[in-house]
Amino acid sequence: QKEVEQNSGPLSVPEGAIASLNCTYSDRGSQSFFWYRQYSGKSPELIMFIYSNGDKEDGRFTAQLNKASQYVSLLIRDSQPSDSATYLCAVIYTGGFKTIFGAGTRLFVKA
Amino acid sequence: DAGVIQSPRHEVTEMGQEVTLRCKPISGHDYLFWYRQTMMRGLELLIYFNNNVPIDDSGMPEDRFSAKMPNASFSTLKIQPSEPRDSAVYFCASRRGDQPQHFGDGTRLSIL
Repeated sequence: QKEVEQNSGPLSVPEGAIASLNCTYSDRGSQSFFWYRQYSGKSPELIMFIYSNGDKEDGRFTAQLNKASQYVSLLIRDSQPSDSATYLCAVIYTGGFKTIFGAGTRLFVKA
Repeated sequence: DAGVIQSPRHEVTEMGQEVTLRCKPISGHDYLFWYRQTMMRGLELLIYFNNNVPIDDSGMPEDRFSAKMPNASFSTLKIQPSEPRDSAVYFCASRRGDQPQHFGDGTRLSIL
């Protein structure tokens, strides 16, 4: 099992729709979870972080964490064409506290 | 505040040459990471440091790769000798404790 797994996509949604991105992780003891957005040719940029079970909202973004199921998701409401990018899930692992990234999900928002 | 600074931004060199990539982390950050990104393999963790000490270098692909962090404000990743399959974007990132990490702009490396 990969340490952090994401569907590679591409995920295509129409403008104005909700985009749902999912991630699972294998380290049951992990406590810190992050979502990064990466545009083509650019470096990853942080968009959300979450440490506690439940939902965390920031503008159009909502991160959801379920530690029992080892599952973290990102919802993007009112998707815009500018949201088209690759979204990377990242987890800090308890062994050594290294940050492990998933392979990323490519999102396309159609105008 | 200055972010993570990497140099050079682009490097093109011939196979067999030594390549040195440089990174200045954000001041106050105690973790530093080196990643390599390719289309085929995504973002791979090569090595990371905590308080300038290498913690895990299991991601370093071969003995041709080495990394150092002589002080809290500087790290290098060296490839010697370089090969065409080393062509990728190399990212440096830093973070403090369990806070989010921040990435540099990356070095786009092409080995001919």
